[in-house]
Amino acid sequence: EDKVVQSPLSLVVHEGDTVTLNCSYEVTNFRSLLWYKQEKKAPTFLFMLTSSGIEKKSGRLSSILDKKELFSILNITATQTGDSAIYLCAVPDQTGANNLFFGTGTRLTVIP
Amino acid sequence: ETGVTQSPTHLIKTRGQQVTLRCSSQSGHNTVSWYQQALGQGPQFIFQYYREEENGRGNFPPRFSGLQFPNYSSELNVNALELDDSALYLCASSFDRANTEAFFGQGTRLTVV
Repeated sequence: EDKVVQSPLSLVVHEGDTVTLNCSYEVTNFRSLLWYKQEKKAPTFLFMLTSSGIEKKSGRLSSILDKKELFSILNITATQTGDSAIYLCAVPDQTGANNLFFGTGTRLTVIP
Repeated sequence: ETGVTQSPTHLIKTRGQQVTLRCSSQSGHNTVSWYQQALGQGPQFIFQYYREEENGRGNFPPRFSGLQFPNYSSELNVNALELDDSALYLCASSFDRANTEAFFGQGTRLTVV
């Protein structure tokens, strides 16, 4: 069965710290992996990584995909209190149901 | 702001009742997927609608049903509500069935008492 596992489940850091969030996956016919930030309700899209785009960067956030080892990491440098959120990793199902498989997320808390 | 809107934002229902949740997809998107997110969990796929037809379903009982309209907006209906149905219900729209860059609405927080 396809699955997505994120670690750690929660993380508390101080402003200015750098954090690394992990996502490992086991899916049939991998095509892409998506990262979302969920602050209160709506997950907001951060990155999509594919076989042809294994590294993405936007400001202080960056992400890489290791297709061989089946994992992705999300890095946040110089963290700010506004980075406090749940970070979700998801992989589209390729078996026909057309869903996104989500991990349980990593809850990041940034302390001033 | 994703352009995906859901209503209502909050809802309290009694066990056994029925509920209808609504979602307007982002302009240009013809695919709507519904997810249930219990506290402390990642979103779980309920079903997807593409051009007014169900196009995939997760592991949810038949009392979870849906519709998609010609303007690609969608409804999620849940009959015979149970306490465990209490969750955040998220709608996501995308321009293809593969959920490439799916965008989520703010969700409806359903509480069943």
